[in-house]
Amino acid sequence: QQQVKQSPQSLIVQKGGISIINCAYENTAFDYFPWYQQFPGKGPALLIAIRPDVSEKKEGRFTISFNKSAKQFSLHIMDSQPGDSATYFCAAGANTDKLIFGTGTRLQVFP
Amino acid sequence: NAGVTQTPKFQVLKTGQSMTLQCAQDMNHEYMSWYRQDPGMGLRLIHYSVGAGITDQGEVPNGYNVSRSTTEDFPLRLLSAAPSQTSVYFCASNPTGNPGYTFGSGTRLTVV
Repeated sequence: QQQVKQSPQSLIVQKGGISIINCAYENTAFDYFPWYQQFPGKGPALLIAIRPDVSEKKEGRFTISFNKSAKQFSLHIMDSQPGDSATYFCAAGANTDKLIFGTGTRLQVFP
Repeated sequence: NAGVTQTPKFQVLKTGQSMTLQCAQDMNHEYMSWYRQDPGMGLRLIHYSVGAGITDQGEVPNGYNVSRSTTEDFPLRLLSAAPSQTSVYFCASNPTGNPGYTFGSGTRLTVV
């Protein structure tokens, strides 16, 4: 019940395309759903996060879509750029502040 | 303002050796945690602390000890290193009630 399932494991997108990464969770107590971006040799950095009271949150080219009934959420990267090439992790957490992470998606954007 | 500082950045240990991975934060965050990152397995929680003097186990605590004597520091101890502990270790902190983690830059540990 604590798992967060993430797909795909890897993603190749052409510059200017849309990158979509999906996550699913089981624990209905989760109320915080962040996405982290990690470059090689660096720690993950918070990219964008959503609470279940909204179905979508947009920050620049990055959008989280949230489907509470399906217990799924996804990250959309519009107009993908080579600089977006990184590993992306979804996560979920509740009031306890612990975050459960997905297994990661390696995104490569080719010019 | 350094954020979360982890030392060392790299370490090679022999099986059976012990060592301590250091983590310090200067943001006065109450909550600190240790994760390990392995290929295909994401980030898995080892131990966490909700404040000085309080620690608890995460998903993969075996073989690791922690203590939290101050708000700033949260060291992770490997008592008797095993090859299965070869991994990249990340420390993170966040203020209570705001689960937006700030991660350190990681320690890459190899056990031979």
